[in-house]
Amino acid sequence: DTEVTQTPKHLVMGMTNKKSLKCEQHMGHRAMYWYKQKAKKPPELMFVYSYEKLSINESVPSRFSPECPNSSLLNLHLHALQPEDSALYLCASSQVYGTERGEKLFFGSGTQLSVL
Amino acid sequence: RKEVEQDPGPFNVPEGATVAFNCTYSNSASQSFFWYRQDCRKEPKLLMSVYSSGNEDGRFTAQLNRASQYISLLIRDSKLSDSATYLCVVNMNAGNNRKLIWGLGTSLAVNP
Repeated sequence: DTEVTQTPKHLVMGMTNKKSLKCEQHMGHRAMYWYKQKAKKPPELMFVYSYEKLSINESVPSRFSPECPNSSLLNLHLHALQPEDSALYLCASSQVYGTERGEKLFFGSGTQLSVL
Repeated sequence: RKEVEQDPGPFNVPEGATVAFNCTYSNSASQSFFWYRQDCRKEPKLLMSVYSSGNEDGRFTAQLNRASQYISLLIRDSKLSDSATYLCVVNMNAGNNRKLIWGLGTSLAVNP
């Protein structure tokens, strides 16, 4: 069982809708991530929060807006998405971010998003 | 040259076989390495970190060859449940940051 919980598991939305993806971890990790994954591709980093501050934004379009209300929670707000944004959105956490030895990532089970 | 390269496969092997995957990386200053496993339509899960001296966890052995800039994963006595995509991840310096670079993954199918 994953210790990173994501909701919802599936989401279908129109291009004019606003929706939010939620992620929660209770491992005491201080780094949280959003990844996007298309079929047969590796996960692609979108955002990193370290100690509740946005550390990395990988040039993600503004229709994706992350939020970290506290050290356990991570949201991704979606607005005016395009069909090409359909993908599996994965949340992950790690103890910290940016260490020499790299981070062991713990992923949630993801939200499968379809944009119509 | 891609930063991290893997043979996409698929590797089709019978149960009980030994199978090995390699992953090459371009940045000689890379400092840490991981293997993740991903089942179809599931999230990636950390399988092993890869240490300089090599490491073993049950049927799985990971090796690092810094001179040739590759890591390997060996699976002995393959089980049906080993069928998955195996993703190589390399921690690289990227300017003032460090970045995890993911390979495209190697697909393994273990057949009865």
